[in-house]
Amino acid sequence: DAGVIQSPRHEVTEMGQEVTLRCKPISGHDYLFWYRQTMMRGLELLIYFNNNVPIDDSGMPEDRFSAKMPNASFSTLKIQPSEPRDSAVYFCASSLAGGNQPQHFGDGTRLSIL
Amino acid sequence: AQSVTQPDIHITVSEGASLELRCNYSYGATPYLFWYVQSPGQGLQLLLKYFSGDTLVQGIKGFEAEFKRSQSSFNLRKPSVHWSDAAEYFCAVGRQGAQKLVFGQGTRLTINP
Repeated sequence: DAGVIQSPRHEVTEMGQEVTLRCKPISGHDYLFWYRQTMMRGLELLIYFNNNVPIDDSGMPEDRFSAKMPNASFSTLKIQPSEPRDSAVYFCASSLAGGNQPQHFGDGTRLSIL
Repeated sequence: AQSVTQPDIHITVSEGASLELRCNYSYGATPYLFWYVQSPGQGLQLLLKYFSGDTLVQGIKGFEAEFKRSQSSFNLRKPSVHWSDAAEYFCAVGRQGAQKLVFGQGTRLTINP
């Protein structure tokens, strides 16, 4: 079975540019999560969706960050404009419904803002 | 609200030695508990989970964990580590009626040859 697929794996861009990260969850999963991982702050939940609807975006750091899920098989996380402090590894995860269901993670996008 | 503490930021063990990684949680009811492993450049992979039943759970790669309600702990163990076990390990807690997981800060495991 295909796991969670993220693209691109690496992104290097200059500050001020728009960055779009993409995620394809596991087919049949009801929930999709976006995380950010840094050395300083560890793993942070940014936003999560249930059946394509955003449920909790309290972790989104600023208005420069936005996320969408236009259908059950695709989600994007956009940063506009990007800043050097946005440099991090961004993970997408998906799960079935239920608090006892594990989240399945993609391999992440390593983002570097110069 | 739930919380998770992994007291050890970094642990070094010799290959072939036994391993125990500590995880303490805070939650009033029975939690859902998970251990994940992250190898360099990769995402988090589920090792094992506990939500009910036998308090000793077996996972992949020879790992096991024991839920101890009296100590609010869910420590991860392996009887004999291999060099390929070098990675970052995360404990996470969830609860009934909620979909979010709360992750610990992680423990980095180094294996000495």
